[in-house]
Amino acid sequence: ETGVTQTPRHLVMGMTNKKSLKCEQHLGHNAMYWYKQSAKKPLELMFVYSLEERVENNSVPSRFSPECPNSSHLFLHLHTLQPEDSALYLCASSLSSGNTGELFFGEGSRLTVL
Amino acid sequence: QQQVKQSPQSLIVQKGGISIINCAYENTAFDYFPWYQQFPGKGPALLIAIRPDVSEKKEGRFTISFNKSAKQFSLHIMDSQPGDSATYFCAASYTGRRALTFGSGTRLQVQP
Repeated sequence: ETGVTQTPRHLVMGMTNKKSLKCEQHLGHNAMYWYKQSAKKPLELMFVYSLEERVENNSVPSRFSPECPNSSHLFLHLHTLQPEDSALYLCASSLSSGNTGELFFGEGSRLTVL
Repeated sequence: QQQVKQSPQSLIVQKGGISIINCAYENTAFDYFPWYQQFPGKGPALLIAIRPDVSEKKEGRFTISFNKSAKQFSLHIMDSQPGDSATYFCAASYTGRRALTFGSGTRLQVQP
């Protein structure tokens, strides 16, 4: 059983909707990540949070808004998305102790934008 | 500079054969090179990782070969099994950065 839980697993939304993706980790980690996975492309890093502070933001459009209220929870708020935003969104966590940390991924939220 | 280039995009191997996946990087600051394995419907999971102070690391049937001068590293799967059928991602990072830069993935099919 994964220590990183993502909900919902599947989401279909129109371009004018507002929805949120949720991630929860039960591993005692203090760094959390959002990655975007599209077919035949590298996993694209979106955001990194360490100790609830955003430490990396990879030029992600403002229609994606992350929130990290504590070290166990991470949200991705979605607003006015485009069809090209359809992808698998993966949450991950790690121990925030340098760059050796193994990333533990959730199973992802499959997003379809109509 | 942040890119990691991975090849091939897909690979078909017979059971018992050797699967080889290659990655190349440009950023000489990279000092951590993991491989992740992803099964359909699951998130990626760490398979094996190497640092540039060694040229090879072996764990069971999985071996990473690392060539620092060529800025290349590869994954070898010996005695490939149908259960190894998955997508494999190479990745890289450097001291001071927590996130990983991933390659584009290789879809491996091991035929029985």
